[in-house]
Amino acid sequence: QQQVKQSPQSLIVQKGGISIINCAYENTAFDYFPWYQQFPGKGPALLIAIRPDVSEKKEGRFTISFNKSAKQFSLHIMDSQPGDSATYFCAAPVYSNYQLIWGAGTKLIIKP
Amino acid sequence: DTGVSQDPRHKITKRGQNVTFRCDPISEHNRLYWYRQTLGQGPEFLTYFQNEAQLEKSRLLSDRFSAERPKGSFSTLEIQRTEQGDSAMYLCASSTTGGGTDTQYFGPGTRLTVL
Repeated sequence: QQQVKQSPQSLIVQKGGISIINCAYENTAFDYFPWYQQFPGKGPALLIAIRPDVSEKKEGRFTISFNKSAKQFSLHIMDSQPGDSATYFCAAPVYSNYQLIWGAGTKLIIKP
Repeated sequence: DTGVSQDPRHKITKRGQNVTFRCDPISEHNRLYWYRQTLGQGPEFLTYFQNEAQLEKSRLLSDRFSAERPKGSFSTLEIQRTEQGDSAMYLCASSTTGGGTDTQYFGPGTRLTVL
C-alpha cells in the first residue's frame, strides 16, 4: 500500500518559474518531513526538512509548506534554474523516526 | 573525502549466487541505514543500526537478506541466493544521534544486476 503519495510524477518548468511538488501521507506519529534531491548516478541528498510545529520553512529558493490536518506537505522552488533539474523525493517517518517511507519521486526538468 | 562510501559501485551476478556489499559511514556517525531503490521509485527502507545493534528491519525484508555492523563502524549487506527481482540500487546512509529524526547522508549506492 502506498503510504506516501507524491505528485506530479514529472514536471517541466521554464527557467525563472516556480516548481511545485506535492506529497500526502496517510498516518504518522512522528514529526519530521524531509525533501531529498537526487541526480542521476548519485545518492539522494537532503534539500530541506520541516517539523510540524511550523507550517512553513524557507531556505533560499526552497520552501516547504506543511498542512498537518490535511496530512500534506509541498515543496516550492522559486526562480527555478536548469541546475535544479533532478528527481525530488518526499519522505515521512511512518513507523518510526528512523524508518522513512518515501514517495515515488518527481522528475523535474527546468527548460532554459 | 569524508562522505559515505560504498563498495563495489556495480555488481553483476548470476541468479542463485551470494553477494556482499560494504558501506563505510561518515566517521562520527553512529546510525547507519540500508535502502533499496529500483528505477523510477523512491528508496525502500531495509534496516537500521545504532552503533553495532540492528534496531529495525523492514517487515518486507526477505530472510535472504542479512546485514551486520560488527564494530559499530562499517556495515555489510549480504544477499543470499540472489533472484532477478533483487536487481536494484542498494543505498547506505548514516546519521548522528540527536533529538528526534536526524539528517541521513547517503552514499553513491551499489548497483546490483542479477542475470
